[in-house]
Amino acid sequence: AQSVTQLDSHVSVSEGTPVLLRCNYSSSYSPSLFWYVQHPNKGLQLLLKYTSAATLVKGINGFEAEFKKSETSFHLTKPSAHMSDAAEYFCVVSALDTGRRALTFGSGTRLQVQP
Amino acid sequence: SAVISQKPSRDICQRGTSLTIQCQVDSQVTMMFWYRQQPGQSLTLIATANQGSEATYESGFVIDKFPISRPNLTFSTLTVSNLSPEDSSIYLCSAAKTGGETQYFGPGTRLLVL
Repeated sequence: AQSVTQLDSHVSVSEGTPVLLRCNYSSSYSPSLFWYVQHPNKGLQLLLKYTSAATLVKGINGFEAEFKKSETSFHLTKPSAHMSDAAEYFCVVSALDTGRRALTFGSGTRLQVQP
Repeated sequence: SAVISQKPSRDICQRGTSLTIQCQVDSQVTMMFWYRQQPGQSLTLIATANQGSEATYESGFVIDKFPISRPNLTFSTLTVSNLSPEDSSIYLCSAAKTGGETQYFGPGTRLLVL
């Protein structure tokens, strides 16, 4: 079984300040981890993914995430927030489960960026 | 990656009717999936659409309510039957090329049931 916990339902930052969106996971198997972003009235866009290569993963739009197995965490960061980053972010775990890959979504974190 | 389109993008339906949603992928993919996103919620997997065979449904979802077709490697449909206001959600299609690991999502279909 696997699960994902996004520790903050809402995060508000000022434009130009760092972003930290927290995610913890649990999985019985070696997981792959993803961050997706959903802008208002849009579908989901893949930001980045971890699949057992480098633990620090760089994604699009300046985002990156670090896989920490000891802490079972996969937090998403960005050095400097932009107004266009305002959206809903989902942390997702993928692991083999009963012979198939299953995706489990976190509950989402809504990022607000203040001018 | 894969580019996925869905039709319709939104619809308003009367209770008791059905809505069929189409999902088209721009390249052949191994896996296709259907998700539901209820208002203000995260995504829940409805089923895996299997090419040439019956879909695999997740717990809480049944074929009579959510019949799915996948006639080829690039196309799938989801029907939401006997609609009730509780079915008002966003329905998203996704696809993956190998092993279902990285999934690419369509823009979603916004359904409102009156």
